[in-house]
Parts: sequence; structure tokens; C-alpha cells
Amino acid sequence: AQSVTQLGSHVSVSEGALVLLRCNYSSSVPPYLFWYVQYPNQGLQLLLKYTSAATLVKGINGFEAEFKKSETSFHLTKPSAHMSDAAEYFCAVSVTGQGAQKLVFGQGTRLTINP
Amino acid sequence: GAGVSQSPSNKVTEKGKDVELRCDPISGHTALYWYRQSLGQGLEFLIYFQGNSAPDKSGLPSDRFSAERTGGSVSTLTIQRTQQEDSAVYLCASSFGGRMYFGPGTRLTVL
Repeated sequence: AQSVTQLGSHVSVSEGALVLLRCNYSSSVPPYLFWYVQYPNQGLQLLLKYTSAATLVKGINGFEAEFKKSETSFHLTKPSAHMSDAAEYFCAVSVTGQGAQKLVFGQGTRLTINP
Repeated sequence: GAGVSQSPSNKVTEKGKDVELRCDPISGHTALYWYRQSLGQGLEFLIYFQGNSAPDKSGLPSDRFSAERTGGSVSTLTIQRTQQEDSAVYLCASSFGGRMYFGPGTRLTVL
């Protein structure tokens, strides 16, 4: 079965610092991987997705993620945090195709930005 | 509307009552999903509709949960005889072309 583990339910960084949110997946077949963001009182929004093309995926708002098969990881990074990045971030895996059927989500990581 | 809408945004009910949650997907999206977001539990898949195919109900936690999708558009998630552990945010999403769009959710509180 496919699964996703997000290391750290809470991450706190200073404004301007590097953001690193960790995600490891388990899949018996090549996965499709996603990062979603949920701002307070809003629905989930797609940040970026990996679909077996380039291993470094660039998303919205300056975020990017790198697929590393050897490490079964898909960590999310942003070079310089902004206050507006404060939100909850979810990593997800789908193995049924880009159609994202039955996405399996991680537990989420709440990102706090300190001024 | 421009996005997925859900109603009500908040629902408070008493244990044992039935509730209905509504989802209006983006027009033209053939796939519709229901997820549940519980505190400390992440997002849990409940059910998936794709066009006229039989829905994938593999995520429904018990037979108290059911969902239907009428005319390939609006969907209703029904929870019968609600229990306190049903308290959560219920998210609906629709998709087309490989991208999922989530609604704002319905926060259900069972007293």
C-alpha cells in the first residue's frame, strides 16, 4: 500500500530563512507526488506535483520540491520564507495516474513564520 | 461559480441525528471526491465518483456513511446516527485533466 510520512507536525522558521518540509513516501510502483497548502479557513491548493518528468519540480509562490528515488523522498523547500507562507502543508501520493485518484495524504506540517 | 462549493460551512448536531453535507463541483469536472480531515489524523479518503462508473466507496468508515452524486454534478454525503468521532472537516474535491480542486469544507461537530 502507498503511504506518506511527513516528518514534523510543526515547523517554525524566521522570516527570510530557508523553509524545508520533509516528506517520505512508500510505493511499490513509480509514484505521482503532490504538495498541497491549506491557508487558514481555506480549501487545499495545489503547490506542485511530480509526474516522472523532471525530478526538480517548481511550484507556485517560490516553492520547489525534489524527487529522490533512492531516498524515497519529496521534500518541499523555499529559499526565503515570507510571513504569508504560514499555513499547513500536505504531501500526497497517487499511483493511479495524474488523475490523482484516491490521493493518500501525509499528516500535514504546520508552518509558522517568526518575524 | 469559479470553484468547488460546499454547504453548510459549519454544522453542529446532536449524537444520533442524521446529517447531509452538500458539494457543488466545478462545472464539467467528471471526478468528485470526499475526504475527511480530523484533528491529528490528516486527510482520509472517503469516496470517489468518476463519470457514470460505480463509485469507489472503499474509504467509507462504516455503513452509517453514504454518498450519492446526482446527474453527474452535485453530491451529497450523508451520515446517519452521528457519533462524536464523526466530528471533522469534510472536504469535497473535483478534478479534470489531472488536477484536483478542493472546496472549503464543512466543519461537522457532533455534541
